[in-house]
Amino acid sequence: DGGITQSPKYLFRKEGQNVTLSCEQNLNHDAMYWYRQDPGQGLRLIYYSQIVNDFQKGDIAEGYSVSREKKESFPLTVTSAQKNPTAFYLCASRGTGDQPQHFGDGTRLSIL
Amino acid sequence: SQELEQSPQSLIVQEGKNLTINCTSSKTLYGLYWYKQKYGEGLIFLMMLQKGGEEKSHEKITAKLDEKKQQSSLHITASQPSHAGIYLCGAREQGTYKYIFGTGTRLKVLA
Repeated sequence: DGGITQSPKYLFRKEGQNVTLSCEQNLNHDAMYWYRQDPGQGLRLIYYSQIVNDFQKGDIAEGYSVSREKKESFPLTVTSAQKNPTAFYLCASRGTGDQPQHFGDGTRLSIL
Repeated sequence: SQELEQSPQSLIVQEGKNLTINCTSSKTLYGLYWYKQKYGEGLIFLMMLQKGGEEKSHEKITAKLDEKKQQSSLHITASQPSHAGIYLCGAREQGTYKYIFGTGTRLKVLA
């Protein structure tokens, strides 16, 4: 079955540590997105990529980094510069035109 | 920048009751998406509306986009416990490839 896989489901970060969240899709979608969800704040866009080897900052990119070396993969690194990383992170992909985004099941990141 | 405002923020209804959730945009919408999310999980796509006055239904859920394309509503008829969750509206921001979302409406259905 086609879909988006995020891993791990739960992740813990120590102070000063970088962590990487995985997002893989087999939907053959060109566009991929990373969102952060905090209680009462909806989804906020971190980074997005319309095509391989290209990505743009979203509204809250500070303290995060991404890469898009393969069409299927769009990993997100939460760096030590992100001072408040505790949140639920969602990855999405989208096909052409006005097709809706498809979402993964999310990764919950917490600070130890 | 464009913003989506949802109301109400939360809703508790008795099973069998009808309910409506609203999504208002600060700018004209060129495509409005409704999603449902269960706590701690990803978003499930429900419906997409593009044309002013458009209405779509799936099972007991009906979504409408007003003629001016600045407001959408999601109506659930004869609610069931399975309808419980968070409903979010989303749209592509004008002139960009960025997507914005409302803050969500948390629905609880009492059996």
